[in-house]
Order: sequence, then C-alpha cells, then structure tokens
Amino acid sequence: DTEVTQTPKHLVMGMTNKKSLKCEQHMGHRAMYWYKQKAKKPPELMFVYSYEKLSINESVPSRFSPECPNSSLLNLHLHALQPEDSALYLCASKPTSSGLETQYFGPGTRLLVL
Amino acid sequence: DQQVKQNSPSLSVQEGRISILNCDYTNSMFDYFLWYKKYPAEGPTFLISISSIKDKNEDGRFTVFLNKSAKHLSLHIVPSQPGDSAVYFCAASSIIQGAQKLVFGQGTRLTINP
Repeated sequence: DTEVTQTPKHLVMGMTNKKSLKCEQHMGHRAMYWYKQKAKKPPELMFVYSYEKLSINESVPSRFSPECPNSSLLNLHLHALQPEDSALYLCASKPTSSGLETQYFGPGTRLLVL
Repeated sequence: DQQVKQNSPSLSVQEGRISILNCDYTNSMFDYFLWYKKYPAEGPTFLISISSIKDKNEDGRFTVFLNKSAKHLSLHIVPSQPGDSAVYFCAASSIIQGAQKLVFGQGTRLTINP
C-alpha cells in the first residue's frame, strides 16, 4: 500500500478565514512533506517533517502553519491567506528522512482563496 | 536559478513508437533522480528512479539513462501507449539539513496519438 490521502479535495476560503488541510499515511513513513503547485508550474517544496520534527521550512510566510501531531498525520493550518495562495497543495511521504527513496504523493487539495 | 530544466514543454508521439523525454540539471550535489507522471487534478505518480552511481535503470517499458558528465538524464518509453499521455516531471534529490529535498523540472506534456 503506497497511499497518501489528503482532505479536503477542494477548499474555497475567504481571506479572513482559518482552515486546515490534512494529510495521512499508514505506510510507517517517517518523513512527510508539503508542496505547493501553481498552474502549469512544478511542485515547490514548502515544509519537511522528519520524525515528527520540522526539518526544512522554505521561507514560507507565517500564514501557513504546519503541524505533525504523530507519525501518520500532517496538517497545514491556513490563516489570512491571499488570493495568490490559490494553488494545489500536495502532501508526500517517504520511509526515512535522508535515504535514497521515492517520495509518494497524495492527490492534493485544490485551494481557492477569494 | 533553475537547477532542473526540462526544455521541451510538450512532445507528441505516435502510438507504438518511442517517447524520449529529457532533463538537464546544474547542481552536481544531486545524488538521486526520479521521474513522475501527473494527470490533471491528481498528485504526481512515481514512475522510475536512478541513483547517481548508475547510468541506466529499466522497469518494463520505462528506461532512465543518466549521463553525469553532461548532467543530463532521459526517460525512454517504448512502446508508447495512449495511457501514457500526461505531464512528466523530472526531479533531482539532495540531502539538506538531514532531509531529502526534491527539485522539480518544469514538466513535459506528452501526447500519444493513436
């Protein structure tokens, strides 16, 4: 089973709203990732969690707040977003933090900020 | 500074023929390379990977070639099938702060014509 699940599939929010994106995997993977993908662009790394600790933050604005409550779950809390934050948000996981392994992606959450 | 480049935004190939997708990189610290396939509104699906110590990896219809001296890799699909029509991303891996970081190319849209 190489499944990474993400909820919700679609989300529409206003600039004053607070919402959360959820990512789950039950493969025992210890590294989890958040990516942002704009239309016709490649995925861009936002955050990396390794063994439930934040390893990399790619200078993401503080209106995006990641959280890793346990080894299977990764959240992305959203607050006071801007319309330019509208994008496909992808979660990925891999077995270990630094091994030469494949990252497995979820289907993504398509976010629209009005 | 685009570290991973896919110079062909699109490629059209006849069904049954060979599809060749190319990718160039600039950073010699990359030690692992992956190809992902992406359909609209879905997350990237892993296809095939290659370590920097190898020059070829084959998996069924898919073969990846790596030329380290030229900093170039290519994905060969043979024979091409209509279901192969998708956007293909090349990704390069390095270890930053103990965690794997993937840098993606811009993608190549492959269309297989019946």
